[in-house]
Amino acid sequence: ETAVFQTPNYHVTQVGNEVSFNCKQTLGHDTMYWYKQDSKKLLKIMFSYNNKQLIVNETVPRRFSPQSSDKAHLNLRIKSVEPEDSAVYLCASSPGKDTQYFGPGTRLLVL
Amino acid sequence: SQLAEENSWALSVHEGESVTVNCSYKTSITALQWYRQKSGKGPAQLILIRSNEREKRNGRLRATLDTSSQSSSLSITATRCEDTAVYFCATDHNNAGAKLTFGGGTRLTVRP
Repeated sequence: ETAVFQTPNYHVTQVGNEVSFNCKQTLGHDTMYWYKQDSKKLLKIMFSYNNKQLIVNETVPRRFSPQSSDKAHLNLRIKSVEPEDSAVYLCASSPGKDTQYFGPGTRLLVL
Repeated sequence: SQLAEENSWALSVHEGESVTVNCSYKTSITALQWYRQKSGKGPAQLILIRSNEREKRNGRLRATLDTSSQSSSLSITATRCEDTAVYFCATDHNNAGAKLTFGGGTRLTVRP
């Protein structure tokens, strides 16, 4: 049963455009994450938020910015996308530092 | 270099056979988790095994943890076609934070 929702499922855009991805969790968790998964399935954490506060910010280009309106929502904005941004972006939530619950992902293709 | 990594990129078995996926990690951990990702879905946790545990079971799944060799294994018995997925190990290296480091994944194909 899905409890972490992501929109859109799939997005195709041109180099230089801005995109935004949405994530909502209905599990009541305090912590949410954004991961990037490349074509080889490698998962890299990008950001982590705890109750709307940024707690992990891995080395990602400045064009990526997370946005959290409340602890159930964590969006991701990419200003001026580049070809290497093509990937699947996965949102997750957790009640602590154990199990993470993932959404289905947003697949981004930059032409 | 990766802090956690599976030792095989791909495995293939026939339905009903058993299979083991191995994982090694480089620094001390508080826990290790195994996740499975089916095509078009996000990863889903299968088993969490803490550093003071040696074995954990979940139905047909059995995970082991050897902190001396910094390695773990996930065994699946009586495999089914629906076990076809990418299997990841993930480690928690930070007691205070909520950060997991995922291995590169092992793609398991279960053939009929």
